[in-house]
Amino acid sequence: GENVEQHPSTLSVQEGDSAVIKCTYSDSASNYFPWYKQELGKGPQLIIDIRSNVGEKKDQRIAVTLNKTAKHFSLHITETQPEDSAVYFCAAKQGAQKLVFGQGTRLTINP
Amino acid sequence: DGGITQSPKYLFRKEGQNVTLSCEQNLNHDAMYWYRQDPGQGLRLIYYSQIVNDFQKGDIAEGYSVSREKKESFPLTVTSAQKNPTAFYLCAIEVYNEQFFGPGTRLTVL
Repeated sequence: GENVEQHPSTLSVQEGDSAVIKCTYSDSASNYFPWYKQELGKGPQLIIDIRSNVGEKKDQRIAVTLNKTAKHFSLHITETQPEDSAVYFCAAKQGAQKLVFGQGTRLTINP
Repeated sequence: DGGITQSPKYLFRKEGQNVTLSCEQNLNHDAMYWYRQDPGQGLRLIYYSQIVNDFQKGDIAEGYSVSREKKESFPLTVTSAQKNPTAFYLCAIEVYNEQFFGPGTRLTVL
């Protein structure tokens, strides 16, 4: 089955700098890759996703890139702000199969 | 979380007692999921249901049970057979592959 590895497990950046979180997946048939943001004590919130027919997607300060050949995808956050501090999860899915999550990255934005 | 509600937010139970966690949605979607989250870890799938009166086991179904008698409701029962029930439980709905989560229930077994 699918396996998703996420790195780093913790990331600390200065406010205004960029943050990058990377994930690799094992099943080359996976075709849907979402990213979730989870604040303390709350449910995960879908912030951006990408499907395998595109290589990059951007939404304001957030972007996701996908490299199907290497089977990895990344989340990029530019001009980070204190409210970006949270735990971020990547996931991968193929068709009707279940969503498989990475272990999460705790992002801290230092003022 | 939109139209997905989970109750209660916090739940305490004594060891050996069964407990049922509620998940309700008013979005009229068929697919619903239950996940377990332990501290510092990702989400693990317990059960899911693609349609009323049908559900399938996920990766960690042992010690849990579900029902899907109504489209809007997918309750999860944590039984006394679950060895380590203390965790954060999340319910989700799925729309064209996109999953949206409820606010979660934190269960503590004393």
